[in-house]
Amino acid sequence: AQSVAQPEDQVNVAEGNPLTVKCTYSVSGNPYLFWYVQYPNRGLQFLLKYITGDNLVKGSYGFEAEFNKSQTSFHLKKPSALVSDSALYFCAVSSHSGGYQKVTFGTGTKLQVIP
Amino acid sequence: DTGVSQDPRHKITKRGQNVTFRCDPISEHNRLYWYRQTLGQGPEFLTYFQNEAQLEKSRLLSDRFSAERPKGSFSTLEIQRTEQGDSAMYLCASSLPGQGGHNEQFFGPGTRLTVL
Repeated sequence: AQSVAQPEDQVNVAEGNPLTVKCTYSVSGNPYLFWYVQYPNRGLQFLLKYITGDNLVKGSYGFEAEFNKSQTSFHLKKPSALVSDSALYFCAVSSHSGGYQKVTFGTGTKLQVIP
Repeated sequence: DTGVSQDPRHKITKRGQNVTFRCDPISEHNRLYWYRQTLGQGPEFLTYFQNEAQLEKSRLLSDRFSAERPKGSFSTLEIQRTEQGDSAMYLCASSLPGQGGHNEQFFGPGTRLTVL
């Protein structure tokens, strides 16, 4: 069965420090990986995706993520955190199963950036 | 605003009543998805459409749930005989198929359902 794990419910980081939000996945076949962000009282917004090619993908607001096939991970990173980055972050995997698209989200990681 | 819209934003109903939610996707997007999200959880996939065809339904989608997208544009999600366990945020998203049939999704604000 397809699954996504976000092992940390919450990540705290000081403003200006680098941040990492972890994601591992399990899927048969090729994974298509995504990060979304959810600000309070707002819908989920797309941040970045890995489809194929370069393992390091860059996305919105200075975020990037590294696809690691051997570790089945897709960790989200940012070199210097901003207070405005505080939000709920979701990792998702999409694949084909039985000829149809199957999408699974992780449980989310709350990022708190401390001024 | 040309994003995904959902109506209503909030719905309070009594157990046993039927409810219907509407989603209007981004106009050129031919894929439309429904998810359910409860507190502390990520979105759980319910079903998706490509144009008017419903391609996949989750096992979460019991016989009380039905979704339609009759003209390949807006979609409705109906829950019959609501139960308290149906209380959740119902999210709609749309996308273009993208490479390999996978692409980023654009989410609406959601419909929060409370079943009393």
